[in-house]
Amino acid sequence: DAKTTQPPSMDCAEGRAANLPCNHSTISGNEYVYWYRQIHSQGPQYIIHGLKNNETNEMASLIITEDRKSSTLILPHATLRDTAVYYCIVRVTFNAGGTSYGKLTFGQGTILTVHP
Amino acid sequence: NAGVTQTPKFQVLKTGQSMTLQCAQDMNHNSMYWYRQDPGMGLRLIYYSASEGTTDKGEVPNGYNVSRLNKREFSLRLESAAPSQTSVYFCASRSSDKKRETQYFGPGTRLLVL
Repeated sequence: DAKTTQPPSMDCAEGRAANLPCNHSTISGNEYVYWYRQIHSQGPQYIIHGLKNNETNEMASLIITEDRKSSTLILPHATLRDTAVYYCIVRVTFNAGGTSYGKLTFGQGTILTVHP
Repeated sequence: NAGVTQTPKFQVLKTGQSMTLQCAQDMNHNSMYWYRQDPGMGLRLIYYSASEGTTDKGEVPNGYNVSRLNKREFSLRLESAAPSQTSVYFCASRSSDKKRETQYFGPGTRLLVL
């Protein structure tokens, strides 16, 4: 499985952009990068995903380097409610019974603390 | 649209007792998953069900069994609970788009085994 490396923790001031890095140097050409977050005591929440191109949605932007060995999740205007653990995940595809499935492996993530 | 629901929210068991954790989703998803999360660790996959009628082992299946009762429901059973199974258990379901591995998670069940 492609392994991801994230810093264990980061801080960000409220209202500023939070840039969360992730290394995935062993990623294969057809593997997607996913980002989830987990706010304390809740289930993980999907944020965004991408393959090669940069992506943006209502929650965040995802910047993937040209060689795809690293990516950055950007929360453009962080709020206190964005304090959470952020997981960068490479979706691995496996075959079972003649059908292809995706698999997400959650690592330890980055604890993002947004302070006033 | 409730999404993914789990019951119970909390449970305390004695070693050797059995229990079933319930999970249901109302999003018409084919795939469902059970994870456990221990302090300071990420989520680890216990079992998954790619579609109704099929189940497969994940990373840490020992000590657990599952049942995909129908498309909506996926239960996790501990036949003889052990203290090592003290954890937070999350159920998830995934949209049917195979190109989009977006999993939707339930609120979790907090289990303490004494």
